[in-house]
Amino acid sequence: KAGVTQTPRYLIKTRGQQVTLSCSPISGHRSVSWYQQTPGQGLQFLFEYFSETQRNKGNFPGRFSGRQFSNSRSEMNVSTLELGDSALYLCASSLAGAGLYNEQFFGPGTRLTVL
Amino acid sequence: AQSVTQLDSHVSVSEGTPVLLRCNYSSSYSPSLFWYVQHPNKGLQLLLKYTSAATLVKGINGFEAEFKKSETSFHLTKPSAHMSDAAEYFCVVSPRGGSYIPTFGRGTSLIVHP
Repeated sequence: KAGVTQTPRYLIKTRGQQVTLSCSPISGHRSVSWYQQTPGQGLQFLFEYFSETQRNKGNFPGRFSGRQFSNSRSEMNVSTLELGDSALYLCASSLAGAGLYNEQFFGPGTRLTVL
Repeated sequence: AQSVTQLDSHVSVSEGTPVLLRCNYSSSYSPSLFWYVQHPNKGLQLLLKYTSAATLVKGINGFEAEFKKSETSFHLTKPSAHMSDAAEYFCVVSPRGGSYIPTFGRGTSLIVHP
């Protein structure tokens, strides 16, 4: 079974631009969660989508948004990029959800650098 | 509310010696607990999980962890370290109620010396 894939793996943008990251979950997984990983803040939960609906949301500004398609693939968008958005963005999929007994399967991440 | 504290940011051991990575948690709801490992430039991989069955949980690669409710701890151990164990380890608490949002510890970097 193929694992979680994320594209692109690396991205360089400038302040003020916007960016879209993509995540394809493991086949059969309906939940996709996104995380931001930085040296200063560690791993922080962004949001979770399940069956095309945002089910949980972390404490991030509205510049961070996402969506999920009917095939469970998910995209994450960050508008008006700031230097502090430089991070490794991880996507994880699970059968039913980010919490409640379920383990998550993580992709390799997208390394975003904002100049 | 919930929180996770990994008591050591770095742990250094010699190959063949025991490993102990410490994790304390707090949660308003009875939690599920996980340990994940992250090798450089890779995503996280599940080592083991506790979901209210046996308190001693065995995982992959010889790791195990014991859930101690009275101490609110979930420490990760391995009898004998291998060079390939060098990585970042994350303790995670997921509440079984409320928001269900998982909280990650800040991570412990395991260094293994030959």
